[in-house]
Amino acid sequence: KNQVEQSPQSLIILEGKNCTLQCNYTVSPFSNLRWYKQDTGRGPVSLTIMTFSENTKSNGRYTATLDADTKQSSLHITASQLSDSASYICVVSALGPSGTYKYIFGTGTRLKVLA
Amino acid sequence: SAVISQKPSRDICQRGTSLTIQCQVDSQVTMMFWYRQQPGQSLTLIATANQGSEATYESGFVIDKFPISRPNLTFSTLTVSNMSPEDSSIYLCSVEDLRGGTEAFFGQGTRLTVV
Repeated sequence: KNQVEQSPQSLIILEGKNCTLQCNYTVSPFSNLRWYKQDTGRGPVSLTIMTFSENTKSNGRYTATLDADTKQSSLHITASQLSDSASYICVVSALGPSGTYKYIFGTGTRLKVLA
Repeated sequence: SAVISQKPSRDICQRGTSLTIQCQVDSQVTMMFWYRQQPGQSLTLIATANQGSEATYESGFVIDKFPISRPNLTFSTLTVSNMSPEDSSIYLCSVEDLRGGTEAFFGQGTRLTVV
């Protein structure tokens, strides 16, 4: 069964600190893995997207890693800011038999950054 | 990137009534999707809106409850029919343009409360 599990479920950190969010998946056949940031009351916004051959990708203070062998990904946030408070969602896409993509969403990590 | 305008942004509706949510994209896109995000949960795909043909529904979602239209490549509607309090949720439109890669974009969502 295709699944995406994220940890921790929630996290509270102080402003300026770093943190790492985890994503484990059992999705086949794997196409790509994305990290989204979702502010409260808003739609998700893409942070990174990685294919099978990519190990790491950065977007400003956000760095995502992917280990396709262990089927794990992480999102590292450096020097956190208050505006980083949001839910972070890991999404893995699989290529279906009909040639269309299917997206499997993790339940997200709710990050709260305190001043 | 694609800019998505989704409306209404929120609504409070009486049980038994129906609400139609609109999704307008600023460019022609290949794929349009409708998601539901229940409180504290991640996104669940309702259906893929197909241009010129009937939508493709995921398990647990039916056309009578969630009729979808997609008259062209830039516009789609989702109707939540005969609403009950269990339909209270955030409904999100998402688009993906395979011609531009595999990036997916989300609307800001419609927060529906059924009383």
